Order: sequence, then structure tokens, then C-alpha cells
Amino acid sequence: SQQGEEDPQALSIQEGENATMNCSYKTSINNLQWYRQNSGRGLVHLILIRSNEREKHSGRLRVTLDTSKKSSSLLITASRAADTASYFCATDYNTGNQFYFGTGTSLTVIP
Amino acid sequence: KAGVTQTPRYLIKTRGQQVTLSCSPISGHRSVSWYQQTPGQGLQFLFEYFSETQRNKGNFPGRFSGRQFSNSRSEMNVSTLELGDSALYLCASSFQAGRDLPNEQFFGPGTRLTVL
Repeated sequence: SQQGEEDPQALSIQEGENATMNCSYKTSINNLQWYRQNSGRGLVHLILIRSNEREKHSGRLRVTLDTSKKSSSLLITASRAADTASYFCATDYNTGNQFYFGTGTSLTVIP
Repeated sequence: KAGVTQTPRYLIKTRGQQVTLSCSPISGHRSVSWYQQTPGQGLQFLFEYFSETQRNKGNFPGRFSGRQFSNSRSEMNVSTLELGDSALYLCASSFQAGRDLPNEQFFGPGTRLTVL
């Protein structure tokens, strides 16, 4: 399977703290994307990073990509209760839109 | 723009029956992908359609099929339902400006299928 793995599986932090989650994948990728999912609903796209990029920012989100280690990390700064959700990384290896999703990190932000 | 819509939102079927799920992509989007999400297997890619052609296919049995219409709307069909087919089925659309360009996927709310 080309499915990625995320670490940790679950994370619980206080509001205002930073949250970091990691994603590892198995083969060379074209792009890596991060998504958020609130309790069994559809996924919301957060950020896309190309294989030739090393870091990207969007608001309170910071994503890094290390292709030599086949890993990525998502940092959410100054977390809010509304950030409580599951976070998934998704990678694509070929042209088209066949994405492989990680196992997800469940983030709980305690007010 | 209206988002991706999926119908129905909830569905209950019995083993052996078949089911058809529908997805309407964002206006202008030509690529539609389908995913199955279960607690045990997570999110798994089913297939992708682009301009009415299946472009990519995941590792699912032939009971799972799909199609895309000229207006980019897509349907997926599952025949001879099994208990293990109970899942959240998610549809995603993207613009696909160019074959080698990265694409942001926009997901619908999903159809929750329960097989009894």
C-alpha cells in the first residue's frame, strides 16, 4: 500500500499552544497536501506543497517537506478550539488526481 | 460558486442490493474523484474521472463502478452490497488546469452508506 502514516494518531493540547503533526510516505511524490476533517464530514483543503518546495505558510499553518526523509510536518500555531478536527496528509505519485491519504491525526484543542 | 454536492447524504441498504451515489462538482471542474472512508481502512481512492473517461482506478473489486457525464456530474455504483461496504463515500472535484500541474481537491460532504 502507498498509504502514508501520520504521527501522532491523537494529540490533545490547550488553546493557544502550537500543534505539530507529521506525515511519512513511501515513494517519491509529485505533491503533498494537507486536509482537515470535522467529525465525519467532508475534507477541507488546507495547503499544498510541491515536491520541489521545502516550506510553505498559510495563516497560522506552516508546512515543511523533506523529500530525502519522505516526510512532512504541519504546524498549527496559536491553536483554537475550532481547530479540533482530524488532519490528513495526501500524496500523489502520478499525473491525475489519484491521492493516497495518511491515517490521520486527531487533534483536540481544549478551551 | 456552489461547492461539491453529493446525494443522497444518508442511505440504508441491505446485503445484495445495489446503490447509486451522485456527485455534482464545482462548476468548471472537470475532474471528479471518489473515495471510501472507513474507520478500519481510512480514506481509500476508488477512481477518478476526467472529461467522461476513467483516468485512474484504485484497488477495489469490479462491484464498484462509476461514470461521468458531459456536464462533469458523476455517479458511482456499488452492486451486490456487502456489510463491509458500509462507509462514508466522498467525492472530490478539481479544475485540473494542466495534466502535470498540482490540483487542489474540493470535497463534498459525503454519502454515509449503511449496509444491513
